[in-house]
Amino acid sequence: DAGVIQSPRHEVTEMGQEVTLRCKPISGHNSLFWYRQTMMRGLELLIYFNNNVPIDDSGMPEDRFSAKMPNASFSTLKIQPSEPRDSAVYFCASSLLGQGFTGELFFGEGSRLTVL
Amino acid sequence: AQTVTQSQPEMSVQEAETVTLSCTYDTSESDYYLFWYKQPPSRQMILVIRQEAYKQQNATENRFSVNFQKAAKSFSLKISDSQLGDAAMYFCALSGTYKYIFGTGTRLKVLA
Repeated sequence: DAGVIQSPRHEVTEMGQEVTLRCKPISGHNSLFWYRQTMMRGLELLIYFNNNVPIDDSGMPEDRFSAKMPNASFSTLKIQPSEPRDSAVYFCASSLLGQGFTGELFFGEGSRLTVL
Repeated sequence: AQTVTQSQPEMSVQEAETVTLSCTYDTSESDYYLFWYKQPPSRQMILVIRQEAYKQQNATENRFSVNFQKAAKSFSLKISDSQLGDAAMYFCALSGTYKYIFGTGTRLKVLA
């Protein structure tokens, strides 16, 4: 089975540009998470979707960040305008979760973003 | 609020020896789960072990075991017979209602 697929794997852009990161979760999973990984802060939860509905976006750092999940097989994380401090690795993870979040998260390979 | 704290940014262990990685957490929920994930240089996150908070018995997976102290809110990972392939970042994670959060990670170096 294909795992979580993220694109692009690497993105280098200039400050002020729009960045769109994409994620295809594992088929059949009902939950999708976006995380940001930096050396200083580790893995930060940005937003969580359940059945395509955003449940908790309290981790989204600013209005410059937005995330969508138009259907069960696709999600995007958009940064507009991007800033150098957004440079990080962004991970998408999916799972089949009921109440209580007991399950394993399956991660994509991450998208490394560099904003110059 | 839920928090996960890993106070050891880096640890080293000699090959074939045993090492323990520390994790403390805080949560107001009574039903939650704890995890250890491994992130090798490839960046791929891999589940190592899982512990249900309602179970007193510590989870084990081959060379990996945990010491779960619920009252102290402590959840350490013990790796026995360390191997070169164990070198990675290790993240402690806590899940509860609508939250699945991670610590800042511990980088484990395995010395030959």
